[in-house]
Amino acid sequence: LAKTTQPISMDSYEGQEVNITCSHNNIATNDYITWYQQFPSQGPRFIIQGYKTKVTNEVASLFIPADRKSSTLSLPRVSLSDTAVYYCLVAPNPGNTPLVFGKGTRLSVIA
Amino acid sequence: GAVVSQHPSRVICKSGTSVKIECRSLDFQATTMFWYRQFPKQSLMLMATSNEGSKATYEQGVEKDKFLINHASLTLSTLTVTSAHPEDSSFYICSAKHRDRGDEQYFGPGTRLTVT
Repeated sequence: LAKTTQPISMDSYEGQEVNITCSHNNIATNDYITWYQQFPSQGPRFIIQGYKTKVTNEVASLFIPADRKSSTLSLPRVSLSDTAVYYCLVAPNPGNTPLVFGKGTRLSVIA
Repeated sequence: GAVVSQHPSRVICKSGTSVKIECRSLDFQATTMFWYRQFPKQSLMLMATSNEGSKATYEQGVEKDKFLINHASLTLSTLTVTSAHPEDSSFYICSAKHRDRGDEQYFGPGTRLTVT
């Protein structure tokens, strides 16, 4: 499975847009990119998933360049409740593959 | 839809005893469930893959005789920590693959195990 690299931590003020970039240089042709959010003492929560270009849902957007060696999770207008750890994962058939979690990015939203 | 529950949410047991953690898919059938462990301030680490009706597949370094996994039905997998020791204290999280969907895994809320 492709290894991912993310910033260890990020700070943001409420109301700002936050972009978290994940590097996955060894991504394979059949790999999908999935982002999860985790609050303390809770299980991870699915945020968004994509294969290429741009994906948007009610929570976030995911930007994937043509070479797919990186991806950027964009959270619009964050609030204090978005303070969490965000994990970027790369895997084929992500619903049926044991997921390898990296260290994630600890986002702190400040009032 | 696609809710996964875990029971108990937290448990305290004495060293040397065994504790069972249940993972249930409430509104879907799960052919595969995964068990993860997470120590404080660390990421999730995969322990084992559990397939309904067959033996679990354990990751390297995870003792299969210590962490017994049973996946007897399409909605239930159990993890039993046998002869627990303080170093087994951790946050145990399961996830489930929806039988009819392949896009994501659905995670349970986790079980906090404290061994005294």
